[in-house]
Amino acid sequence: NAGVMQNPRHLVRRRGQEARLRCSPMKGHSHVYWYRQLPEEGLKFMVYLQKENIIDESGMPKERFSAEFPKEGPSILRIQQVVRGDSAAYFCASSPPQGSTYEQYFGPGTRLTVT
Amino acid sequence: RKEVEQDPGPFNVPEGATVAFNCTYSNSASQSFFWYRQDCRKEPKLLMSVYSSGNEDGRFTAQLNRASQYISLLIRDSKLSDSATYLCAAPSYNTDKLIFGTGTRLQVFP
Repeated sequence: NAGVMQNPRHLVRRRGQEARLRCSPMKGHSHVYWYRQLPEEGLKFMVYLQKENIIDESGMPKERFSAEFPKEGPSILRIQQVVRGDSAAYFCASSPPQGSTYEQYFGPGTRLTVT
Repeated sequence: RKEVEQDPGPFNVPEGATVAFNCTYSNSASQSFFWYRQDCRKEPKLLMSVYSSGNEDGRFTAQLNRASQYISLLIRDSKLSDSATYLCAAPSYNTDKLIFGTGTRLQVFP
């Protein structure tokens, strides 16, 4: 049973370009969470999605950031017009359907570098 | 007050020592709590779940104190390989998301 998969593992973008980060949850999991982590800092919640629904996006910056989890395919975190401050590790986690457990399992992360 | 708070450390302990970390939470309705381990530049990995008074797995023991609203992680007979950052997590007030503490760094030395 494959774990949470994220790609790419490393992504380099110039200022002003777009970054697309993908996350495939564990088999049987229907909840996806995105986090951002700066060096030497904790995990910052960004957004919580279920299939075709955004449940909680309270941690998402108001501009340039968006997320989706379509009926088919991976969840995507999209950052438009990237700036140097967007450089960070972005982790995706997944969990089973609501009501069973809050346990979350993390993917290996995407390290975004903006030059 | 933050929803989940941890002492950032670092905790520097010799091999074989027993070390304990605490994590306070503010949501008194929380029923489940989690400890994760994160190695440098790696993803967090679930270490232990705590649903009632406590949980034990080998050298690791997690305990819950509802009256004082904290959970603890006890590591006995520390190994060099235990060196990592330990994150605690608890459910948020009104959504199904977890709130993570900033982590406690542990360094075990020979």
